[in-house]
Amino acid sequence: ELKVEQNPLFLSMQEGKNYTIYCNYSTTSDRLYWYRQDPGKSLESLFVLLSNGAVKQEGRLMASLDTKARLSTLHITAAVHDLSATYFCAVDQETSGSRLTFGEGTQLTVNP
Amino acid sequence: DTGVSQDPRHKITKRGQNVTFRCDPISEHNRLYWYRQTLGQGPEFLTYFQNEAQLEKSRLLSDRFSAERPKGSFSTLEIQRTEQGDSAMYLCASSARRLAGAPNEQFFGPGTRLTVL
Repeated sequence: ELKVEQNPLFLSMQEGKNYTIYCNYSTTSDRLYWYRQDPGKSLESLFVLLSNGAVKQEGRLMASLDTKARLSTLHITAAVHDLSATYFCAVDQETSGSRLTFGEGTQLTVNP
Repeated sequence: DTGVSQDPRHKITKRGQNVTFRCDPISEHNRLYWYRQTLGQGPEFLTYFQNEAQLEKSRLLSDRFSAERPKGSFSTLEIQRTEQGDSAMYLCASSARRLAGAPNEQFFGPGTRLTVL
């Protein structure tokens, strides 16, 4: 059974600081997704990572994928309060209709 | 608005009652997924349709749950004899036909929050 683990689960950081969220998964997959969720809201797609070594950047967020290590990272640069949200990584299961298996989420709070 | 829509957004019911939720996917998307999310957790897969065919069901989907997607357009999720443990956010997502090796990016609706008293 595919397992997806994120760490840390809770992250409190100051504005202007950098930090990285880690996402490990247990079986081979070439497709990894990052989503953002604001409290009481649905999930917003941030990044789709399709192959080993893939790197994508949008504003202060950068995501990367290492399929050999079964690891993805979401790096936050010079955090701002608007980035406060819960971030989920999810892995695509090719053999199961491409259902997504999600990590537990990382609740990020950026303090002024 | 061309995104995924869900109705109702909130539902409060008493234990033992039946509830039905509706999801309208993005119009050109042939795949539709239902997930359940409890507080502080990531979404968990419930079931998946390709067009009108229900191709997979999670073991989380007990016999009190049933989902349909008539004509391959909107979908409904019904929960019979609701229990307090059914309280959760029910999320619907859709995606487009996928070529081999291509991503299956899923777009999520706003969710239906169910509270069972």
